[in-house]
Amino acid sequence: GESVGLHLPTLSVQEGDNSIINCAYSNSASDYFIWYKQESGKGPQFIIDIRSNMDKRQGQRVTVLLNKTVKHLSLQIAATQPGDSAVYFCAERLATSGSRLTFGEGTQLTVNP
Amino acid sequence: ETGVTQSPTHLIKTRGQQVTLRCSSQSGHNTVSWYQQALGQGPQFIFQYYREEENGRGNFPPRFSGLQFPNYSSELNVNALELDDSALYLCATHRDQTRGYTFGSGTRLTVV
Repeated sequence: GESVGLHLPTLSVQEGDNSIINCAYSNSASDYFIWYKQESGKGPQFIIDIRSNMDKRQGQRVTVLLNKTVKHLSLQIAATQPGDSAVYFCAERLATSGSRLTFGEGTQLTVNP
Repeated sequence: ETGVTQSPTHLIKTRGQQVTLRCSSQSGHNTVSWYQQALGQGPQFIFQYYREEENGRGNFPPRFSGLQFPNYSSELNVNALELDDSALYLCATHRDQTRGYTFGSGTRLTVV
């Protein structure tokens, strides 16, 4: 199917620690992946993306890793801050589906001070 | 600010009624997609519009319909509202199939 899932529904970390949020996808034809952050009452906010021809991409404090062999995507957040507390979604796009994104269920990240 | 504006922000409707939600597109973004997000779940794709025509649809019944206007703004219409239609409705705009999907803050629809 075209489902995208997450391994853990919740993640709690201490401020300053690194966070790793995981995502499993099932469709090997997906060519593009995005991580979104969603705070309460707001729409998803773009964090970082990666195309299927890459295995790693870095942004400011965030890194996305793509392992196509096991269909796994992860988001690493360095030096996690209280403002990082939110629900994180991975989304995939099938090469043949136009712009349609398929989202996973989300991981609630809580950063403890 | 995302550059994508949705209105209204909150709405309460009665079962059986009709509702229209609106989305204004970020400048230059000619593709708009609508998503339904139930509480505690990820967004689910409803449909997409490109150059004023529907260009892809998810698993939603025909009572969910939409429009895109020449200025790329968009409407989502839902007829014969059901209780399960209660959700956050999100629009996302982007330029063709390039990267950079920008989401609005959504409209929270409650059907009673």
